[in-house]
Amino acid sequence: AQSVTQLDSQVPVFEEAPVELRCNYSSSVSVYLFWYVQYPNQGLQLLLKYLSGSTLVKGINGFEAEFNKSQTSFHLRKPSVHISDTAEYFCAVSENTGNQFYFGTGTSLTVIP
Amino acid sequence: NAGVMQNPRHLVRRRGQEARLRCSPMKGHSHVYWYRQLPEEGLKFMVYLQKENIIDESGMPKERFSAEFPKEGPSILRIQQVVRGDSAAYFCASSLDRGPYEQYFGPGTRLTVT
Repeated sequence: AQSVTQLDSQVPVFEEAPVELRCNYSSSVSVYLFWYVQYPNQGLQLLLKYLSGSTLVKGINGFEAEFNKSQTSFHLRKPSVHISDTAEYFCAVSENTGNQFYFGTGTSLTVIP
Repeated sequence: NAGVMQNPRHLVRRRGQEARLRCSPMKGHSHVYWYRQLPEEGLKFMVYLQKENIIDESGMPKERFSAEFPKEGPSILRIQQVVRGDSAAYFCASSLDRGPYEQYFGPGTRLTVT
């Protein structure tokens, strides 16, 4: 089974500053990687996904992530955050032979005006 | 273009009662997944179903929990004789097919056991 680690449980950042949310996974088998965002009392919305191809993936709302196979990481970045980016962010991993997504424990991003 | 629908959004049950959570997948999706989110934790997989079949229930507690996805109607997650530890947010997701396809999530049902 996969283990997904989001090292930072809370990340405060000032508005218009850059941010990086870290995600590492455990398995070396072929994986697919996702970042979801959850606003308070809502479901999860897909930000971006890596299935194959270019290791730099661009998503919605100006977010991007880079897949690093050697470091088993899939960190999420945004060059300039907005107040509206305040939310919980979850990294998820799926194996090509599996049925489920494995989620990290989430990173709470707070954008400070 | 309705997304994944879940109802109720909030459910309060007393210890020992039954909880029924419903999930209608996106149109055209025949794969449904249930996840549980405990406070301060990520989502944990519970069960994966296709129409009329349970494909993977490796994340389901052995007792009191069951799930179904009938030929007609929504998927149902049923929790019998609820206990306080069942208080959580339960999310349903659906996908177009099996494999690394995006899972679309519903808004969740927040179950509170008093």
